[in-house]
Amino acid sequence: GQQLNQSPQSMFIQEGEDVSMNCTSSSIFNTWLWYKQDPGEGPVLLIALYKAGELTSNGRLTAQFGITRKDSFLNISASIPSDVGIYFCAGQAIQGAQKLVFGQGTRLTINP
Amino acid sequence: GAVVSQHPSWVICKSGTSVKIECRSLDFQATTMFWYRQFPKQSLMLMATSNEGSKATYEQGVEKDKFLINHASLTLSTLTVTSAHPEDSSFYICSAVGTGGGYGYTFGSGTRLTVV
Repeated sequence: GQQLNQSPQSMFIQEGEDVSMNCTSSSIFNTWLWYKQDPGEGPVLLIALYKAGELTSNGRLTAQFGITRKDSFLNISASIPSDVGIYFCAGQAIQGAQKLVFGQGTRLTINP
Repeated sequence: GAVVSQHPSWVICKSGTSVKIECRSLDFQATTMFWYRQFPKQSLMLMATSNEGSKATYEQGVEKDKFLINHASLTLSTLTVTSAHPEDSSFYICSAVGTGGGYGYTFGSGTRLTVV
């Protein structure tokens, strides 16, 4: 089945540093989504990408839909303590139902 | 923005009993809702796709008789864990897609189920 490979699995950074994480797939997706999940909560949508090559920002967050439609990255600039959490990429395939495929997640820890 | 309410947020039940979890779209109509299961430190695993007025589509390996899904209206889907056992303990999360298309995929806040 379709899978998304998300890396890195975890990151330990200092407050103020920039963060970069990415997802790759062996198959094409027509939508890429990035979510953040806090402990005991459901995922919250950060950025949605719908076109190949699209670059979208949401405050300190920037994400891009890869031109090959098989990858996406998320950057966080000038990290702050509230950025701590687990970040998931998710993709919707061109063919098939509306269901999303999720990456394994990136756990972000920030040292003040 | 789109809001999905999930209830209860946590529940403890005895083995052999059934538990119902509700997922409501508060400010939009959802033709499709999804139910996920998440184990600690793992990603979300899709259990089933729920379409209003029709039978749910279950992912491979998910027992449809154990996890009953009902999507009776455009704003409500329910997941019932029947004859729960300790191995059913997990974090269950729903998400909803609006009638306007796949924009957003809004998630509920999740339900922590503990079976004792």
